[in-house]
Amino acid sequence: QVQLVESGGGVVQPGGSLRLSCAASGFTFSSYGMHWVRQTPGKGLEWVSFIKYDGSYQYADSVKGRFTISRDDSKNTLYLQMNSLRAEDTAVYYCAKDGRGWQFDYWGQGTLVTVSS
Amino acid sequence: QSALTQPASVSGSPGQSITISCTGTSSDVGSYNLVSWYQQHPGKAPKLMVYEGNKRPSGVSNRFSVSKSGNTASLTISGLQAEDEADYYCCSYAGSNSWVFGGGTKLTVL
Repeated sequence: QVQLVESGGGVVQPGGSLRLSCAASGFTFSSYGMHWVRQTPGKGLEWVSFIKYDGSYQYADSVKGRFTISRDDSKNTLYLQMNSLRAEDTAVYYCAKDGRGWQFDYWGQGTLVTVSS
Repeated sequence: QSALTQPASVSGSPGQSITISCTGTSSDVGSYNLVSWYQQHPGKAPKLMVYEGNKRPSGVSNRFSVSKSGNTASLTISGLQAEDEADYYCCSYAGSNSWVFGGGTKLTVL
């Protein structure tokens, strides 16, 4: 069965950096695109970034230039490097598998990132 | 990349049907038949319910159906059950490998 397990969240000061990881299992990781989606406390979902199976990627305007998505197919792991963090980046960050039908068909349990001084 | 517009809340009694609307623009909902819907119970990760028009993942009840007209997609849940009480989010492909979510709708089963 598909499993996605995020890690790396925590408390960081404004302007700081954090790297999130998402360990994948139960499917051929190298054949699928992967996403990061975040949810601010008590609020809605926001798509953050996508990396295709071929390594091409895209970002939401709100994180472009500050976040970097990457993947290591040898480790079945997705990453999100977050730099120049702001208070508004505080959220639960989910990794999600792309379903090839332009949907997110499996989600991890999320990891909380808190940006605060 | 403005969020899609959903009603903040809807409610219905067990056995009834409810509809949640999701309004976007000609750049997202109106351009692609690629709206997906997610159910989220408190403290849980979102769960895919419907995608790519009116497709449902294995295990999702056929009580969940979608329609689309112009820039607005709608999710209908028929035969409401207590377990349907949750937050629901729509999401549309917006071109150039980007996606946009709705603000979410809280469904209360009375």
